[in-house]
Amino acid sequence: DQQVKQNSPSLSVQEGRISILNCDYTNSMFDYFLWYKKYPAEGPTFLISISSIKDKNEDGRFTVFLNKSAKHLSLHIVPSQPGDSAVYFCAAMMGGSQGNLIFGKGTKLSVKP
Amino acid sequence: NAGVMQNPRHLVRRRGQEARLRCSPMKGHSHVYWYRQLPEEGLKFMVYLQKENIIDESGMPKERFSAEFPKEGPSILRIQQVVRGDSAAYFCASSGQAFYEQYFGPGTRLTVT
Repeated sequence: DQQVKQNSPSLSVQEGRISILNCDYTNSMFDYFLWYKKYPAEGPTFLISISSIKDKNEDGRFTVFLNKSAKHLSLHIVPSQPGDSAVYFCAAMMGGSQGNLIFGKGTKLSVKP
Repeated sequence: NAGVMQNPRHLVRRRGQEARLRCSPMKGHSHVYWYRQLPEEGLKFMVYLQKENIIDESGMPKERFSAEFPKEGPSILRIQQVVRGDSAAYFCASSGQAFYEQYFGPGTRLTVT
């Protein structure tokens, strides 16, 4: 029973173009969402987050969009760079939770020069 | 290095042995979380601890697994009588008062032979 789903295991994008990574969730009690980036043999690195009371959050090249009615969020990376090649995990936290992050399975992004 | 430290980075154990994984949180952080990542899967929450207290262990297997975060020293995840299915990457994260801002360590890769 996956509460956070990343349905695309991989994505390939040309350098300079936009990368769009998608995430769907099933639990309407989630009130905080995060994106993490992970290189092989390293721990996840926090990228950007969004509270359920917002629909957009921007940080430099990274923007996260939240559509609560569709239970969908997406991460946009513009422009994509080869160094962005990594696995991206979507994670969610429930209101009242004390830190239990629920992760998707990840999407492997490859940015080609 | 002010980040989350985990050791060892790699651990090989034979079936039936004990595995001890250590985690030192980021300086100033008093909340520690353990996650496990099986191959081709996302991270799964195991346990959340504060100093000398287990706050949420809802993700911990009922047998053979235990965790502690003593007043002094690192947090320890202990797996007794390891089996092949315990082979995974174990990640520790820490946070301050903002539970959702979790910073991850590099992980310990446990291999059970």
